Amino acid sequence: AQKVTQAQTEISVVEKEDVTLDCVYETRDTTYYLFWYKQPPSGELVFLIRRNSFDEQNEISGRYSWNFQKSTSSFNFTITASQVVDSAVYFCALSNNNDMRFGAGTRLTVKP
Amino acid sequence: NAGVTQTPKFRILKIGQSMTLQCTQDMNHNYMYWYRQDPGMGLKLIYYSVGAGITDKGEVPNGYNVSRSTTEDFPLRLELAAPSQTSVYFCASTTPTGTGGVNTEAFFGQGTRLTVV
Repeated sequence: AQKVTQAQTEISVVEKEDVTLDCVYETRDTTYYLFWYKQPPSGELVFLIRRNSFDEQNEISGRYSWNFQKSTSSFNFTITASQVVDSAVYFCALSNNNDMRFGAGTRLTVKP
Repeated sequence: NAGVTQTPKFRILKIGQSMTLQCTQDMNHNYMYWYRQDPGMGLKLIYYSVGAGITDKGEVPNGYNVSRSTTEDFPLRLELAAPSQTSVYFCASTTPTGTGGVNTEAFFGQGTRLTVV
């Protein structure tokens, strides 16, 4: 069975600090997809990124970057120069064989 | 384009009552999902469907039932509500591309906050 582990339950940083959210996954499949979603205090789920198992290139989008390493089954998410608006719960998710499983989430608080 | 619509947004049930959470999407997505999110926790997959007439259990299916008679609709049924089912329920949809499986972003509804007392 597939599984996603986000070991960091809560992280608190001061604005402008860099922060990395960890995601470790387990799957037996060779083809799979990894996602990050953001859940702000308003409660909706916002898609951030998708990565397939054959593409280990790291990606940068503005202040966000993602590091995918198949060797360690990790798909970590870094926010550079964090801002108060980044405060949210962040979920890592894994999909294969038609379903999609989420990690428990990491609550990020960015203090001014 | 409405996306994924869930109704109701809020509901209070008494123990033992039943109800159906409605979910409809207008994007012609094949795949649909129901998740529950307990306070301060992550999303747990209840049931999913890869197309009309096909449903499968997820991680926490006990106490729930689903049906998928059309591509657009994926209702979730609670037959005998219990306090342990107090949660926020999210419906999501997506569509496979390329080699299949879920490899595109999922679109989520706004959630249904259910309290069982």
